[in-house]
Amino acid sequence: NAGVTQTPKFQVLKTGQSMTLQCAQDMNHNSMYWYRQDPGMGLRLIYYSASEGTTDKGEVPNGYNVSRLNKREFSLRLESAAPSQTSVYFCASSEKEREFTGELFFGEGSRLTVL
Amino acid sequence: QQQVKQSPQSLIVQKGGISIINCAYENTAFDYFPWYQQFPGKGPALLIAIRPDVSEKKEGRFTISFNKSAKQFSLHIMDSQPGDSATYFCAAPEGTGANNLFFGTGTRLTVIP
Repeated sequence: NAGVTQTPKFQVLKTGQSMTLQCAQDMNHNSMYWYRQDPGMGLRLIYYSASEGTTDKGEVPNGYNVSRLNKREFSLRLESAAPSQTSVYFCASSEKEREFTGELFFGEGSRLTVL
Repeated sequence: QQQVKQSPQSLIVQKGGISIINCAYENTAFDYFPWYQQFPGKGPALLIAIRPDVSEKKEGRFTISFNKSAKQFSLHIMDSQPGDSATYFCAAPEGTGANNLFFGTGTRLTVIP
């Protein structure tokens, strides 16, 4: 089982360029998330998808768009990258079972640098 | 919106010592409070979680203590080992029934041999 797979692992962009971060999970989870991690800021939720066909904004959605392509895949797009979007991006998934206690399964991250 | 405030930002502990990390939350609507552990270059992984109907949960050397009246919960790592060196995050759900999490700012733990 691969779990949550993110691509690419590293990317360097110039200001104004666009790109899409891809995420796929093989655990048949309904919910998927995109977080960004910055030093001293912890993990901040960008967007999430509670189930296939739905997406909702998190804490820091500005400058991003998402697509829940199907149950397995959830992509994050930067239409016009800015240096402030330099970060490590994590995709996660979860299944809210009866005794859910907040277990999200994270990918290994995508490190993005915007020059 | 749920907010969690985590302290300290960094912690250095001798091998065999006790590591204590604290979190305070604001919104009282919650179903659970998880703690995550993250090693360098990896994604966070769930370490231990507590539901509000209990005041303490222990799993091996890791214990969560929960103080509902003070709106605080803490992680205790007993007999800390160098392999415990990692960044730890507390988290809380957005609200009752929610499964998206708000994370604390993290505590970098270093256990010295």
